[in-house]
Amino acid sequence: IQMTQSPSSLSASVGDRVTITCRASQSISTYLNWYQQKPGKAPKFLIYAASSLQSGVPSRFSGSGSGTDFTLTISSLQPEDFATYYCQQSYSSPVLTFGGGTKVEIK
Amino acid sequence: EVQLLESGGGLVQPGGSLRLSCAASGFTFRSYAMSWVRQATGKGLEWVSGISAGGGSTYYADSVKGRFTISRDNSKNTLYLQMNSLRADDTAVYYCAKDFSSAETTSEVDYWGRGTLVTVSS
Repeated sequence: IQMTQSPSSLSASVGDRVTITCRASQSISTYLNWYQQKPGKAPKFLIYAASSLQSGVPSRFSGSGSGTDFTLTISSLQPEDFATYYCQQSYSSPVLTFGGGTKVEIK
Repeated sequence: EVQLLESGGGLVQPGGSLRLSCAASGFTFRSYAMSWVRQATGKGLEWVSGISAGGGSTYYADSVKGRFTISRDNSKNTLYLQMNSLRADDTAVYYCAKDFSSAETTSEVDYWGRGTLVTVSS
């Protein structure tokens, strides 16, 4: 299963609403997770099962979608949110695949 | 506090071998599936291998099948990755990863180690 993210990068300002899209090459129901990665750091688990927020993750992060199309939304971008975001499908678990990443940069 | 500490990375020549270790603490290691995920410099994440909680089931990406072997020692709370016949395209940071809730396979990774760099070069 191939995972395609768009855009590959975006520029946004603090306070902006940001939406990142992830598309699966076949239907994966809601077996979709999101991670945030900052430079030089390990990824951080944000959202599982397409829309469930991991404990401790700010509520400005949300996920939606099912089947082949998914979105990660940051409702009001904060300075600490500038990072690269990855989607990951677990439909074909134990074989996992990640999207190519979306880098969120400061405008 | 969950901690995953990888070790064993380094510089190795093409065709060589390396064994990575991941020391786990802060959770019941024997109850969770574990995985290795790698990331080449400036590139995205690639799942490499996974193992069930008891160690009886192992899984591999096609890119490493037949060359890498994952294992675990639940008495030592340690995960391993034996890497043989290494190639230049195996160069990456290798992360140890804990599954969110499953004992059988990794579906979501809720904790990651800091990673260990493997460089394959002559």
